[in-house]
Amino acid sequence: AQSVAQPEDQVNVAEGNPLTVKCTYSVSGNPYLFWYVQYPNRGLQFLLKYITGDNLVKGSYGFEAEFNKSQTSFHLKKPSALVSDSALYFCAVRVRMEIIFGKGTRLHILP
Amino acid sequence: AAGVIQSPRHLIKEKRETATLKCYPIPRHDTVYWYQQGPGQDPQFLISFYEKMQSDKGSIPDRFSAQQFSDYHSELNMSSLELGDSALYFCASSLGRGQISTDTQYFGPGTRLTVL
Repeated sequence: AQSVAQPEDQVNVAEGNPLTVKCTYSVSGNPYLFWYVQYPNRGLQFLLKYITGDNLVKGSYGFEAEFNKSQTSFHLKKPSALVSDSALYFCAVRVRMEIIFGKGTRLHILP
Repeated sequence: AAGVIQSPRHLIKEKRETATLKCYPIPRHDTVYWYQQGPGQDPQFLISFYEKMQSDKGSIPDRFSAQQFSDYHSELNMSSLELGDSALYFCASSLGRGQISTDTQYFGPGTRLTVL
């Protein structure tokens, strides 16, 4: 079955430090991978996606993700964290019409 | 830029009542999707429509039905509501153009349904 896993329920990072939110995938065939962010009482906002091409994908708000086929990973990264980045982050994989989400990682950026 | 619109934003119903949630996709988007997010859970896919035809079906209960209209808006109809139906219901839209797997789904703000 197609799935994504986010091994960390929560990640704490000091403001200004680099951040990484981990994601691994299990997909048959070519993976179509996404990152979404959810702020409290708000919808899911699209950050970036990997379809094909460069392994480093750049997205919104300074985020980027690195696709690693050998490690089946798609980690989300940002060079310098902001307090406003604190939110719930979902890694996801597209299967036919459906997006299958990971369980989410809550990111806390500490001032 | 215009986003996905969902109405109502909040809805409170009693058990066994019915509810209708509406979704207005981003202009020119032809595909809509419905997801259910329970408290503390990840969103779960319910159903999708492309050009007014059901295109995929997920974990949608038989008590629920949905359709897409000629103006591409969609409605999710929920009957015989149960306490467990309390959740955040998201609609998403995309511009399909036949690219089923790669087009980005853009999500609305959600409708929070509370069943008492």
